[in-house]
Amino acid sequence: GNSVTQMEGPVTLSEEAFLTINCTYTATGYPSLFWYVQYPGEGLQLLLKATKADDKGSNKGFEATYRKETTSFHLEKGSVQVSDSAVYFCALSVDGGSQGNLIFGKGTKLSVKP
Amino acid sequence: DGGITQSPKYLFRKEGQNVTLSCEQNLNHDAMYWYRQDPGQGLRLIYYSQIVNDFQKGDIAEGYSVSREKKESFPLTVTSAQKNPTAFYLCASSIVPSGYNEQFFGPGTRLTVL
Repeated sequence: GNSVTQMEGPVTLSEEAFLTINCTYTATGYPSLFWYVQYPGEGLQLLLKATKADDKGSNKGFEATYRKETTSFHLEKGSVQVSDSAVYFCALSVDGGSQGNLIFGKGTKLSVKP
Repeated sequence: DGGITQSPKYLFRKEGQNVTLSCEQNLNHDAMYWYRQDPGQGLRLIYYSQIVNDFQKGDIAEGYSVSREKKESFPLTVTSAQKNPTAFYLCASSIVPSGYNEQFFGPGTRLTVL
């Protein structure tokens, strides 16, 4: 079946530190991969996505590369800010079957200290 | 502004009562989704609808019901049969039910059973 595994948190960093949140997946077919961010008390917002192997998604200084050989989609940012404190979810979607349904990882809480 | 609205933001219910959560979108999206979020468990799919007057069960549909009489509306009823209804409920939509398309999320409704 399809599943997403992401590193457990919480992750605590100092401002301007380098961020990596690991995400690996298992999927039948050719999934699209997503990173969503959830700020406290809010819904989820799409951060970035990649729809095929070797694609790199990027937004707001965050990047993730779709690695088919390692079935990974790790999230990175070179210099985090306090405003990046949130919960980050890795997700996949496989076209066909339950079309468009997202399968989420459990989320990684990031806290950035000034 | 286009988007998804959910109401109310906070909802309290006594045991044994049914309650309906509202979800409205003005994005002209075909597909709509309901997720449940519990601490440490990510998001789990309750129901989804790919088109008006049609909907499908997700992974945890027991104790829930939905309707899709209009394209812009997808209300979720939490029935008394749901054993543990206290959770954060998120509604989402996408242009079409495809794995390539991102889902847009509402701000969520936090349901507490007293």
